[in-house]
Amino acid sequence: GIQVEQSPPDLILQEGANSTLRCNFSDSVNNLQWFHQNPWGQLINLFYIPSGTKQNGRLSATTVATERYSLLYISSSQTTDSGVYFCAVGPGSGYALNFGKGTSLLVTP
Amino acid sequence: SQTIHQWPATLVQPVGSPLSLECTVEGTSNPNLYWYRQAAGRGLQLLFYSVGIGQISSEVPQNLSASRPQDRQFILSSKKLLLSDSGFYLCAWSESAREQFFGPGTRLTVL
Repeated sequence: GIQVEQSPPDLILQEGANSTLRCNFSDSVNNLQWFHQNPWGQLINLFYIPSGTKQNGRLSATTVATERYSLLYISSSQTTDSGVYFCAVGPGSGYALNFGKGTSLLVTP
Repeated sequence: SQTIHQWPATLVQPVGSPLSLECTVEGTSNPNLYWYRQAAGRGLQLLFYSVGIGQISSEVPQNLSASRPQDRQFILSSKKLLLSDSGFYLCAWSESAREQFFGPGTRLTVL
């Protein structure tokens, strides 16, 4: 299956700081999603972005499919941004989402 | 709008006991349905997916099985639980092979 690597694995920020999370994948994809897992385990959809750039408030994402990577930008971070951020990709055919191991983000006051 | 439900939210079961986890989706028709498991250490792994009633595909060999008795109902089962079945089980849905949306999950502990 497609290999998904996320970096960094852990990140500690002070409130108000900006950050960039990276997702590299090993093959062409037809689906790429970013999720935020909250402390209760719920996976919150952030972006569905197999290619291009999207923005939603303080969050934005860019996927460069030809170079097999995606970036998630968090600006002016808040303590509520804490949690684990997952990148998940789906192959050119089929249905499985292959998840990276996530980036664990802690935003301190 | 679409809603996905899972129950129970938490479950503690002895080794060797049966298991039945349920997932239902509202507000859509003929969705693709998925079961994932998240073990300690964060990664999620697809267990089963279904593109229609009675159609189940298994991604990994294991002690579990899945069924889809109705269009918007997906059930994960086991006849005899193992310690290694402990984990966080998440159900998801999508329209065809597109964006997937996840339920709140069931936290299973096998003792």
